[in-house]
Amino acid sequence: NAGVTQTPKFQVLKTGQSMTLQCAQDMNHNSMYWYRQDPGMGLRLIYYSASEGTTDKGEVPNGYNVSRLNKREFSLRLESAAPSQTSVYFCASSEAPSGVGIEQYFGPGTRLTVT
Amino acid sequence: RKEVEQDPGPFNVPEGATVAFNCTYSNSASQSFFWYRQDCRKEPKLLMSVYSSGNEDGRFTAQLNRASQYISLLIRDSKLSDSATYLCVVLSGGGADGLTFGKGTHLIIQP
Repeated sequence: NAGVTQTPKFQVLKTGQSMTLQCAQDMNHNSMYWYRQDPGMGLRLIYYSASEGTTDKGEVPNGYNVSRLNKREFSLRLESAAPSQTSVYFCASSEAPSGVGIEQYFGPGTRLTVT
Repeated sequence: RKEVEQDPGPFNVPEGATVAFNCTYSNSASQSFFWYRQDCRKEPKLLMSVYSSGNEDGRFTAQLNRASQYISLLIRDSKLSDSATYLCVVLSGGGADGLTFGKGTHLIIQP
């Protein structure tokens, strides 16, 4: 039982390049999330998927797209990377949408640098 | 914008001491509260949920004060392994996007 896995762990992009961050969970969770974490900032929600087949914008969705490929996988795509997207990206999952007693489980993160 | 405020620290505490820190939240309608722990360059992990009546898990005690809109975390008999950043997390409103994370309080336990 690996929990939440993310690939890649590290990535360096040039401005304007595109890439997809992959996330998978093996806990049969319904909800999945993408966050970014910047120095001096709390985790900020980019996109989430409350259940398979649905996706919604979070607090900072601009410059990103997501795909809930199936119940296990939720990918995050940067179409044209910008230096402002340099950050640590965390994927998370939970059994149900956030609520009382609902814990989010996080992946190990992807450290992305855009030059 | 939903706000969750924490003292960033660092709190430098000798091993074996008791340490406490608070977190304030701005939305009086917030429903659920959590403390997550994040080790350096690692992912956040749930430490404990915070219930209205307060709750204790070993050396850790969490309290909620709705009137003053803050939650607290108390760590007794601190260990070197308690060194980490502690994130206050507040759920306001329903739905998957309802969580707001504080910026975290950095705790360093010194031998």
